[in-house]
Amino acid sequence: DTGVSQDPRHKITKRGQNVTFRCDPISEHNRLYWYRQTLGQGPEFLTYFQNEAQLEKSRLLSDRFSAERPKGSFSTLEIQRTEQGDSAMYLCASSLQGSYNEQFFGPGTRLTVL
Amino acid sequence: SQQGEEDPQALSIQEGENATMNCSYKTSINNLQWYRQNSGRGLVHLILIRSNEREKHSGRLRVTLDTSKKSSSLLITASRAADTASYFCVPRQGGSEKLVFGKGTKLTVNP
Repeated sequence: DTGVSQDPRHKITKRGQNVTFRCDPISEHNRLYWYRQTLGQGPEFLTYFQNEAQLEKSRLLSDRFSAERPKGSFSTLEIQRTEQGDSAMYLCASSLQGSYNEQFFGPGTRLTVL
Repeated sequence: SQQGEEDPQALSIQEGENATMNCSYKTSINNLQWYRQNSGRGLVHLILIRSNEREKHSGRLRVTLDTSKKSSSLLITASRAADTASYFCVPRQGGSEKLVFGKGTKLTVNP
């Protein structure tokens, strides 16, 4: 399977703990995106990378959230001091620069903060 | 960036019937994309229509775009239970690479 992969698929944590999620994009894609989705809503944009540069961040991305893509391949999203409101599905997507920005999504990481 | 507003919010039909979902948006676009999300395959890009196109087909999907009315529609013909999903329209203007999703239309196809 050469699609977008995310790890872990599920994460349960206690409030106040830090969590880190990983996304592996489609290998030839140079753009990578993170979104968050809560029940009954569409995905909300968090941040986007072109190669290793983080080019856009949403105001939703508080200073407890940080994302990296150090070598322009996989990316990590870290949430520090988790809160119950962080419970959501975290989706990663990738696309190829020069396309019409058709984004290919991974299966997501479901985070539950107790 | 703008989001599309899908209508209806929910739609329930019988297998074999056609399903039509509508999308409205507010400002001019370069293209408009439709995505589908279900529990089995996650969020998947279905079809893209450029602002200079009026209609596009892909298998059982037919998308129309009326830029004068700032609206689009997605028609699924001969629906199947596997089409049960939420459908999102995403108007694209350029200037930002992010996708902005609305709440979608939740389609249920009953066997």
